[in-house]
Amino acid sequence: GAGVSQSPSNKVTEKGKDVELRCDPISGHTALYWYRQSLGQGLEFLIYFQGNSAPDKSGLPSDRFSAERTGGSVSTLTIQRTQQEDSAVYLCASSLARHSDTQYFGPGTRLTVL
Amino acid sequence: GNSVTQMEGPVTLSEEAFLTINCTYTATGYPSLFWYVQYPGEGLQLLLKATKADDKGSNKGFEATYRKETTSFHLEKGSVQVSDSAVYFCALSDSGNTGKLIFGQGTTLQVKP
Repeated sequence: GAGVSQSPSNKVTEKGKDVELRCDPISGHTALYWYRQSLGQGLEFLIYFQGNSAPDKSGLPSDRFSAERTGGSVSTLTIQRTQQEDSAVYLCASSLARHSDTQYFGPGTRLTVL
Repeated sequence: GNSVTQMEGPVTLSEEAFLTINCTYTATGYPSLFWYVQYPGEGLQLLLKATKADDKGSNKGFEATYRKETTSFHLEKGSVQVSDSAVYFCALSDSGNTGKLIFGQGTTLQVKP
């Protein structure tokens, strides 16, 4: 079946602009996660959704970052007023609800802020 | 808080050599433990997992045993191949309700023919 998909695969933007990153999870997966992979910080958790609610936003680095999920499916991560330190690969993963379940990762969106 | 520490790389081995990548963790409660692999140009994929103490996860010739007494989850393979060249990440999922993954810093493995 279809895996987790993300779009765009690459995004180049200018400092100060807003960007939206999209994630389509595996159908039926109620849990959705966003992570960020960067050279300096490794792989970091950003936010967790269960259905449409986000009970854990503890990894969002600043109030410029926000995310939403609609219909228990598609999620959008928005970064406002982008900064150069936001440059990274943003990964989305989905899983069934239980914490021991495997998370399936999408291919990521590579964001470059000039 | 919860954390994962992996041995630093890069690790360079000859084909058919024995592989060990060390991973230790700090966690409250009873986390599940995972090894994920990222092949060149590809996304993260699960290699193996273990959900409770003394469980052994295995896949593609790789093994790791959940050792609660030493808080470790070392990855081993008896005979590596060139195709095993990749970045390997050890991770734990918190024992709370979220299941978010906490990753180690990753270990790059290069296998030479």
